[in-house]
Amino acid sequence: DTEVTQTPKHLVMGMTNKKSLKCEQHMGHRAMYWYKQKAKKPPELMFVYSYEKLSINESVPSRFSPECPNSSLLNLHLHALQPEDSALYLCASSQSLLQGKQETQYFGPGTRLLVL
Amino acid sequence: SQQGEEDPQALSIQEGENATMNCSYKTSINNLQWYRQNSGRGLVHLILIRSNEREKHSGRLRVTLDTSKKSSSLLITASRAADTASYFCATDGRSAGGTSYGKLTFGQGTILTVHP
Repeated sequence: DTEVTQTPKHLVMGMTNKKSLKCEQHMGHRAMYWYKQKAKKPPELMFVYSYEKLSINESVPSRFSPECPNSSLLNLHLHALQPEDSALYLCASSQSLLQGKQETQYFGPGTRLLVL
Repeated sequence: SQQGEEDPQALSIQEGENATMNCSYKTSINNLQWYRQNSGRGLVHLILIRSNEREKHSGRLRVTLDTSKKSSSLLITASRAADTASYFCATDGRSAGGTSYGKLTFGQGTILTVHP
């Protein structure tokens, strides 16, 4: 199974809502990632988890709160978002940050988020 | 700012022709990867080339890496309409000490359109 799944596929939320994005993989990968991608732009890294511990936070606003409950799951909790946060949110996983080296990442299909 | 810059930004060809995309980067790397993204979907890993490799093949794909020029190219031979997608290079930056920064940085991407 080389699949990363993400739910929901689409999400519309108001600026006062609280919602969560979910990501799951069963490849035994120990590194998981959240990216944000705006239209016609490349993905931008938000967070990296390595062995269920947050290893990189790319200065993401606190209204985005990641969580890694176990090695297969990654959540992104959303609260008080702004319209400019509307984007495609991609989850990815890789085998590990082996000796600090980046390996192939496997991406989920993404959650398309619209903030009204 | 993005580590990788790709050119052309957009490429339009006929089925059966070859497509070449280029990527330049700025810092030392452990490896360089190419990904494909169909419209509004997740990224699919195509090929990884390590910093000590010069050329790599996978099916109709050929990737070259020139670390002295800090550049890479992706060649798709005998293109098909199904190859229509955005193509991104991504680099795993390496510190002066040789360790990875632990993240991929994506280039701006090339939008490839293959006409039947």
